[in-house]
Amino acid sequence: EPEVTQTPSHQVTQMGQEVILRCVPISNHLYFYWYRQILGQKVEFLVSFYNNEISEKSEIFDDQFSVERPDGSNFTLKIRSTKLEDSAMYFCASSGGVRNSPLHFGNGTRLTVT
Amino acid sequence: KQEVTQIPAALSVPEGENLVLNCSFTDSAIYNLQWFRQDPGKGLTSLLLIQSSQREQTSGRLNASLDKSSGRSTLYIAASQPGDSATYLCARLPFGASGSARQLTFGSGTQLTVLP
Repeated sequence: EPEVTQTPSHQVTQMGQEVILRCVPISNHLYFYWYRQILGQKVEFLVSFYNNEISEKSEIFDDQFSVERPDGSNFTLKIRSTKLEDSAMYFCASSGGVRNSPLHFGNGTRLTVT
Repeated sequence: KQEVTQIPAALSVPEGENLVLNCSFTDSAIYNLQWFRQDPGKGLTSLLLIQSSQREQTSGRLNASLDKSSGRSTLYIAASQPGDSATYLCARLPFGASGSARQLTFGSGTQLTVLP
Protein backbone atom coordinates (compact mmCIF):
# COMPACT_ATOMS: atom_id res chain seq x y z
CA GLU A 1 0.00 0.00 0.00
CA PRO A 2 1.40 3.44 -0.89
CA GLU A 3 2.54 5.52 2.03
CA VAL A 4 3.79 8.96 2.96
CA THR A 5 7.51 8.95 3.73
CA GLN A 6 9.39 11.53 5.77
CA THR A 7 13.09 12.20 6.22
CA PRO A 8 14.96 12.47 8.45
CA SER A 9 13.26 10.59 11.28
CA HIS A 10 15.12 12.70 13.83
CA GLN A 11 16.77 16.11 13.39
CA VAL A 12 18.77 17.91 16.05
CA THR A 13 19.63 21.54 15.45
CA GLN A 14 20.83 24.56 17.35
CA MET A 15 18.60 27.52 18.05
CA GLY A 16 18.68 30.03 15.21
CA GLN A 17 19.61 27.49 12.56
CA GLU A 18 17.52 26.71 9.49
CA VAL A 19 16.04 23.26 9.04
CA ILE A 20 14.28 21.62 6.13
CA LEU A 21 11.99 18.69 6.74
CA ARG A 22 11.26 16.52 3.75
CA CYS A 23 8.25 14.50 2.72
CA VAL A 24 7.25 12.37 -0.23
CA PRO A 25 3.44 12.27 -0.36
CA ILE A 26 1.43 9.49 -1.97
CA SER A 27 1.94 9.90 -5.69
CA ASN A 28 -1.61 10.51 -6.92
CA HIS A 29 -2.65 12.75 -4.04
CA LEU A 30 -3.39 16.41 -4.63
CA TYR A 31 -3.47 17.94 -1.14
CA PHE A 32 -0.48 18.12 1.15
CA TYR A 33 -0.23 19.13 4.79
CA TRP A 34 2.08 19.69 7.69
CA TYR A 35 0.97 19.08 11.25
CA ARG A 36 3.00 19.09 14.42
CA GLN A 37 2.74 17.55 17.86
CA ILE A 38 4.63 19.01 20.79
CA LEU A 39 5.42 16.31 23.34
CA GLY A 40 2.36 15.58 25.45
CA GLN A 41 0.10 17.90 23.46
CA LYS A 42 -2.47 17.59 20.71
CA VAL A 43 -1.66 17.26 17.03
CA GLU A 44 -1.92 20.76 15.55
CA PHE A 45 -2.52 21.86 11.98
CA LEU A 46 0.17 24.03 10.39
CA VAL A 47 -0.55 24.38 6.70
CA SER A 48 -2.28 22.85 3.70
CA PHE A 49 -1.01 23.08 0.13
CA TYR A 50 -2.86 22.57 -3.13
CA ASN A 51 -2.12 23.39 -6.73
CA ASN A 52 1.30 24.75 -5.83
CA GLU A 53 0.10 27.24 -3.27
CA ILE A 54 -0.88 27.44 0.36
CA SER A 55 -4.62 26.94 0.75
CA GLU A 56 -4.83 27.30 4.53
CA LYS A 57 -2.47 28.05 7.38
CA SER A 58 -2.79 28.31 11.12
CA GLU A 59 -1.58 31.00 13.50
CA ILE A 60 1.44 28.82 14.24
CA PHE A 61 2.60 29.06 10.63
CA ASP A 62 4.25 32.47 10.82
CA ASP A 63 6.93 34.07 8.66
CA GLN A 64 9.55 31.68 10.01
CA PHE A 65 7.84 28.80 8.21
CA SER A 66 7.59 28.09 4.51
CA VAL A 67 6.57 25.17 2.35
CA GLU A 68 7.61 24.17 -1.10
CA ARG A 69 6.99 21.49 -3.66
CA PRO A 70 10.27 21.75 -5.54
CA ASP A 71 9.54 18.88 -7.93
CA GLY A 72 6.79 16.41 -8.70
CA SER A 73 7.39 14.24 -5.67
CA ASN A 74 8.83 16.14 -2.70
CA PHE A 75 7.07 18.46 -0.27
CA THR A 76 9.22 20.38 2.20
CA LEU A 77 8.77 22.42 5.36
CA LYS A 78 11.44 24.99 6.12
CA ILE A 79 11.92 26.71 9.44
CA ARG A 80 14.22 29.68 8.90
CA SER A 81 15.48 30.40 12.40
CA THR A 82 14.54 27.67 14.84
CA LYS A 83 13.46 28.39 18.39
CA LEU A 84 13.41 26.08 21.39
CA GLU A 85 9.63 25.96 21.21
CA ASP A 86 9.80 24.55 17.66
CA SER A 87 10.88 21.24 19.17
CA ALA A 88 8.13 18.80 18.22
CA MET A 89 7.20 15.89 16.01
CA TYR A 90 6.35 17.19 12.55
CA PHE A 91 3.96 15.13 10.46
CA CYS A 92 3.45 15.36 6.75
CA ALA A 93 0.14 14.17 5.30
CA SER A 94 -1.53 13.92 1.93
CA SER A 95 -5.02 13.27 0.64
CA GLY A 96 -6.82 12.77 -2.65
CA GLY A 97 -8.86 15.28 -4.60
CA VAL A 98 -12.22 14.56 -3.03
CA ARG A 99 -12.84 16.48 0.18
CA ASN A 100 -13.94 13.34 2.00
CA SER A 101 -10.69 11.59 1.18
CA PRO A 102 -8.95 10.53 4.39
CA LEU A 103 -5.62 12.05 5.30
CA HIS A 104 -2.65 9.71 5.23
CA PHE A 105 0.18 10.61 7.56
CA GLY A 106 3.88 9.87 7.50
CA ASN A 107 5.82 8.59 10.50
CA GLY A 108 7.02 12.07 11.36
CA THR A 109 10.29 13.88 11.92
CA ARG A 110 11.23 14.52 15.52
CA LEU A 111 12.84 17.97 15.62
CA THR A 112 14.93 18.81 18.67
CA VAL A 113 16.15 22.39 19.00
CA THR A 114 18.93 22.89 21.54
CA LYS B 1 -13.11 27.91 19.21
CA GLN B 2 -13.73 24.38 17.96
CA GLU B 3 -12.75 21.77 20.55
CA VAL B 4 -12.46 18.02 20.37
CA THR B 5 -12.42 16.10 23.64
CA GLN B 6 -11.63 12.45 24.22
CA ILE B 7 -12.54 10.55 27.34
CA PRO B 8 -10.99 8.64 29.00
CA ALA B 9 -7.42 9.81 28.60
CA ALA B 10 -6.19 6.29 29.35
CA LEU B 11 -7.82 2.90 29.47
CA SER B 12 -6.50 -0.50 30.45
CA VAL B 13 -8.50 -3.64 29.71
CA PRO B 14 -7.90 -7.40 29.69
CA GLU B 15 -7.55 -9.15 26.36
CA GLY B 16 -10.83 -10.16 24.73
CA GLU B 17 -12.90 -7.36 26.20
CA ASN B 18 -15.09 -5.17 24.02
CA LEU B 19 -14.53 -1.47 24.59
CA VAL B 20 -15.74 1.97 23.57
CA LEU B 21 -13.67 5.11 23.12
CA ASN B 22 -15.45 8.45 23.19
CA CYS B 23 -14.96 11.63 21.22
CA SER B 24 -17.00 14.80 21.59
CA PHE B 25 -16.87 18.05 19.64
CA THR B 26 -18.32 21.47 20.33
CA ASP B 27 -19.36 22.43 16.81
CA SER B 28 -21.75 20.03 15.11
CA ALA B 29 -21.10 21.59 11.69
CA ILE B 30 -18.65 18.93 10.67
CA TYR B 31 -17.84 17.61 7.23
CA ASN B 32 -16.41 14.35 8.45
CA LEU B 33 -14.75 12.73 11.43
CA GLN B 34 -11.69 10.53 11.22
CA TRP B 35 -10.28 8.08 13.76
CA PHE B 36 -6.54 7.43 13.88
CA ARG B 37 -4.22 5.11 15.69
CA GLN B 38 -0.82 6.33 16.91
CA ASP B 39 1.87 3.95 18.11
CA PRO B 40 4.67 5.36 20.31
CA GLY B 41 7.10 7.41 18.26
CA LYS B 42 5.19 6.68 15.07
CA GLY B 43 2.88 8.49 12.73
CA LEU B 44 -0.88 8.43 12.55
CA THR B 45 -2.62 5.50 10.89
CA SER B 46 -6.09 6.24 9.54
CA LEU B 47 -8.63 3.73 10.85
CA LEU B 48 -12.06 4.98 9.83
CA LEU B 49 -13.61 8.08 8.29
CA ILE B 50 -17.28 8.91 8.81
CA GLN B 51 -18.90 11.45 6.55
CA SER B 52 -21.42 13.84 8.06
CA SER B 53 -24.22 12.08 6.19
CA GLN B 54 -23.31 8.70 7.70
CA ARG B 55 -24.03 7.30 11.13
CA GLU B 56 -21.37 4.61 11.28
CA GLN B 57 -18.49 2.91 9.55
CA THR B 58 -17.05 -0.55 10.12
CA SER B 59 -13.68 -2.10 9.42
CA GLY B 60 -12.99 -5.53 10.83
CA ARG B 61 -13.26 -5.40 14.62
CA LEU B 62 -13.66 -1.62 14.57
CA ASN B 63 -16.93 0.28 14.39
CA ALA B 64 -17.16 4.05 14.54
CA SER B 65 -20.41 5.93 15.00
CA LEU B 66 -21.31 9.57 14.59
CA ASP B 67 -24.12 11.55 16.22
CA LYS B 68 -23.87 15.11 15.01
CA SER B 69 -26.84 16.33 17.03
CA SER B 70 -25.14 15.44 20.30
CA GLY B 71 -21.65 16.22 19.05
CA ARG B 72 -20.32 12.74 19.72
CA SER B 73 -18.50 9.92 18.04
CA THR B 74 -17.55 6.54 19.46
CA LEU B 75 -15.02 3.96 18.39
CA TYR B 76 -16.00 0.43 19.33
CA ILE B 77 -13.30 -2.23 19.41
CA ALA B 78 -14.51 -5.80 19.60
CA ALA B 79 -12.55 -8.65 21.15
CA SER B 80 -9.55 -6.48 22.00
CA GLN B 81 -6.02 -7.85 21.52
CA PRO B 82 -2.65 -6.78 22.95
CA GLY B 83 -1.76 -5.54 19.45
CA ASP B 84 -4.53 -2.97 19.76
CA SER B 85 -2.50 -1.16 22.42
CA ALA B 86 -1.89 2.35 21.10
CA THR B 87 -3.21 5.88 21.36
CA TYR B 88 -6.45 6.47 19.50
CA LEU B 89 -7.15 9.95 18.17
CA CYS B 90 -10.27 11.42 16.68
CA ALA B 91 -10.20 14.45 14.41
CA ARG B 92 -12.97 16.53 12.91
CA LEU B 93 -13.01 18.29 9.58
CA PRO B 94 -15.21 21.39 9.77
CA PHE B 95 -17.92 22.20 7.30
CA GLY B 96 -16.19 25.35 6.19
CA ALA B 97 -17.24 27.71 3.47
CA SER B 98 -14.16 26.89 1.46
CA GLY B 99 -14.19 23.66 -0.48
CA SER B 100 -10.48 23.37 0.05
CA ALA B 101 -10.66 23.59 3.86
CA ARG B 102 -8.79 20.58 5.16
CA GLN B 103 -7.80 21.68 8.62
CA LEU B 104 -8.35 18.78 11.01
CA THR B 105 -8.90 19.51 14.70
CA PHE B 106 -7.60 16.67 16.85
CA GLY B 107 -8.55 15.41 20.27
CA SER B 108 -5.86 14.62 22.79
CA GLY B 109 -6.35 10.89 22.40
CA THR B 110 -7.12 7.85 24.51
CA GLN B 111 -4.13 5.70 25.41
CA LEU B 112 -5.32 2.10 25.30
CA THR B 113 -3.49 -0.80 26.91
CA VAL B 114 -4.78 -4.31 26.32
CA LEU B 115 -3.33 -6.72 28.83
CA PRO B 116 -2.58 -10.31 27.74
